[in-house]
Amino acid sequence: GAVVSQHPSRVICKSGTSVKIECRSLDFQATTMFWYRQFPKQSLMLMATSNEGSKATYEQGVEKDKFLINHASLTLSTLTVTSAHPEDSSFYICSAAGTSYGEQYFGPGTRLTVT
Amino acid sequence: AQSVAQPEDQVNVAEGNPLTVKCTYSVSGNPYLFWYVQYPNRGLQFLLKYITGDNLVKGSYGFEAEFNKSQTSFHLKKPSALVSDSALYFCAVRGGNNAGNMLTFGGGTRLMVKP
Repeated sequence: GAVVSQHPSRVICKSGTSVKIECRSLDFQATTMFWYRQFPKQSLMLMATSNEGSKATYEQGVEKDKFLINHASLTLSTLTVTSAHPEDSSFYICSAAGTSYGEQYFGPGTRLTVT
Repeated sequence: AQSVAQPEDQVNVAEGNPLTVKCTYSVSGNPYLFWYVQYPNRGLQFLLKYITGDNLVKGSYGFEAEFNKSQTSFHLKKPSALVSDSALYFCAVRGGNNAGNMLTFGGGTRLMVKP
């Protein structure tokens, strides 16, 4: 149980285009989902907290107009990187909070490369 | 504010030897502590957690961790390392007492197990 999927696993796009990443909780309902960014050989950096049916809460320094988050249902959250630039290239990981003391279940990640 | 420190960027052990990956934390209230493992280009996999109860927590793949309140530590251990344990390990903490589901991660420790 407690499986989280992400799609796509890998995407290459051109500068200026937008990319949407989906995060799904497959066998449980997640009222809260989290989006992280991870640079090579570094830890996870929390970008935003997404609650179903409400606006996401962004961490300081994260541009909400650039990284659009939608959490329309209890099993799906999406992250859209708008007008992508090469510096947006990174590994993006989502997680969904379970009901057990805030334990988070992580998706497999999406590697974004912007050329 | 809560924080996690993993003082070692890398830990090297020989296969069959015991391993320890260190973690110390700072948080308000009672801590909820987690260990995750990440393999290359993959998301995080849950290993174990401490919420309350016995200070020694047993988790997946033979790993265990000991909660030490006086030293604010939660070191990850395994009696006999396997080459397949080589990966990136993250310690994480969230505050108890309705502190929300947000996890704070340590910087990660790369474990290298040599045959």
